[in-house]
Amino acid sequence: SQQGEEDPQALSIQEGENATMNCSYKTSINNLQWYRQNSGRGLVHLILIRSNEREKHSGRLRVTLDTSKKSSSLLITASRAADTASYFCATDARGAQKLVFGQGTRLTINP
Amino acid sequence: DVKVTQSSRYLVKRTGEKVFLECVQDMDHENMFWYRQDPGLGLRLIYFSYDVKMKEKGDIPEGYSVSREKKERFSLILESASTNQTSMYLCASSLRGLGEETQYFGPGTRLLVL
Repeated sequence: SQQGEEDPQALSIQEGENATMNCSYKTSINNLQWYRQNSGRGLVHLILIRSNEREKHSGRLRVTLDTSKKSSSLLITASRAADTASYFCATDARGAQKLVFGQGTRLTINP
Repeated sequence: DVKVTQSSRYLVKRTGEKVFLECVQDMDHENMFWYRQDPGLGLRLIYFSYDVKMKEKGDIPEGYSVSREKKERFSLILESASTNQTSMYLCASSLRGLGEETQYFGPGTRLLVL
């Protein structure tokens, strides 16, 4: 079953603009992670936010978590062509070692 | 840096063949995972393993089996490949811990079953 679902499924913006992606999930979590996947490659971890955190930053990335709404957002500021990729949120089931991934948002940055 | 390698980037097999996908990680991680990725369906967990000789079914184990004889190696086996197993297969590993562990992914194997 899909725990995390990203929105939108696809996003196309101009270089330099900010990109926002959203993730919703269904059950209680310990943490939520965001991953990036370049075309035809494996996933790369970007950032993790714990259930007791509301916001986290890493470089041009800003992640928020609202556990009352069971949702998270990933903001990429000042986008670059190299940010073109698919972005996935992943949630853990409490007590489990495994993650459940959403379907991803395909982000295209136009030069 | 953690490195997860997969034996093949591209693989073409015929229906009914037995297929082995190999995954090796070099960071002494306890956990290893096999996913398949299909358009519109995201990543789906096939099997995972918490330790040597240990395996757990994921969400879609049917038609697959796994083997973990050594800590660093996790193999996915398609006993009799079918066309609906054409997909991108991703292996990942992580430390066993308190649930905050990052998963490290291999580059993927794109399998085509004819």
